[in-house]
Formats: sequence, C-alpha cells, structure tokens
Amino acid sequence: GQSLEQPSEVTAVEGAIVQINCTYQTSGFYGLSWYQQHDGGAPTFLSYNALDGLEETGRFSSFLSRSDSYGYLLLQELQMKDSASYFCAVRDRGDKIIFGKGTRLHILP
Amino acid sequence: GAVVSQHPSRVICKSGTSVKIECRSLDFQATTMFWYRQFPKQSLMLMATSNEGSKATYEQGVEKDKFLINHASLTLSTLTVTSAHPEDSSFYICSARSTGSDTQYFGPGTRLTVL
Repeated sequence: GQSLEQPSEVTAVEGAIVQINCTYQTSGFYGLSWYQQHDGGAPTFLSYNALDGLEETGRFSSFLSRSDSYGYLLLQELQMKDSASYFCAVRDRGDKIIFGKGTRLHILP
Repeated sequence: GAVVSQHPSRVICKSGTSVKIECRSLDFQATTMFWYRQFPKQSLMLMATSNEGSKATYEQGVEKDKFLINHASLTLSTLTVTSAHPEDSSFYICSARSTGSDTQYFGPGTRLTVL
C-alpha cells in the first residue's frame, strides 16, 4: 500500500525550533512536498525536494533522504502565526499527490 | 505567482439538490486540475484528476456519476455534486498544475454543508 507517516501533533515554544518528520512508502516517487494549512483555509505550498539534501527558504527548511524514504520540515524562530497543520506529500506516478495525515503544530507563548 | 480561485467559497443546500463548484486558474493555463475532499481534522483525499478536453480519472471509491467533473478549458474545471446528501458535507479543494510545472497550486476551497 501507499502511506505517509507523520506525527499527529507537535508542541513547541515561540522562538524555538521544531522538526516535523515524514516517512513514506509509495509505489512511485517524484518528490516530497510540504504544505501548511490554517484552520478553515486551503493548503499553501511551502517546499519541494526532489533530490537528497536540505532546501532552505527563510525560516523554513526541508530535508530529503530518498534512500531512507524520509524527510523533515524544520521551522526556526517559531512565531504564533506558525500554528497550523503541516502536511507532507509525495508526488506519485504522473501527477498524483498523496498527502500524509498532517501534523498539528501548537505553539506556546 | 500562480493563483487559483474557487467559487463559491461556501454553500449550504438542501438534501437532494445538486451543487456546482468552479475552479479557475487566474494567471496561468492548467492542463491538469485536481479535486480533493477534506473532512474535519483529516487529510486531503484526492477524488479525481481532470485533464482539459478529456474525461476525468476518478480515484477508487469515488462515484463518478455523483461527482461530475468537467474541464472544458485550460483555466476552468467544475465539480458538480449531484443529489447531495448530508454525508457529502465537506471541504472541497481544487488544485491546478501549469503546463511544464511540477507544482500544484491550491484554490481556497469550498465548504459544502448539506442539510
């Protein structure tokens, strides 16, 4: 079967760093993406890794290890507005994207 | 940047009626559009993939006669929920992929409530 595993919830303190892990098992792999979704809103694209290594975009970084079928999203200098759900997603064959169940990030002041 | 719009943003209807949701790519041409459904506190589930000018490809378990998809142009796809029932109440989100790009851009979603 196809699955993406990520923690259901993570709690961190404002200003801190948090890492959200994702492991995947899919029939095809064309890249790992991360999306942010606030309550009541639609997902917004954060990052995309097609090759191994770290991609940095401002306070957010994403890492991929294809040999380990593993990736993570790193959020630095956490702000209250970062409280949201974060989804990892794998582009499977063709155009199909499979989403993980999402990680709810709670940020404490 | 690439912008995708959806209309309406929110709809409440009576059981048995049909509801049409539009998804438009505003500043790019979308060869492929996708329709997702998301129940509260759950992940996005792909319902179907829509290619301009051809029939949509539905995921397993999605009734194609109930969820009619039309991708008539490179900037517009529509999802019609026919004979809606309360269990169809959900957040419906479309996304669009521009020609030659790997990135999908999501619309703002449509919240459907069936009474």
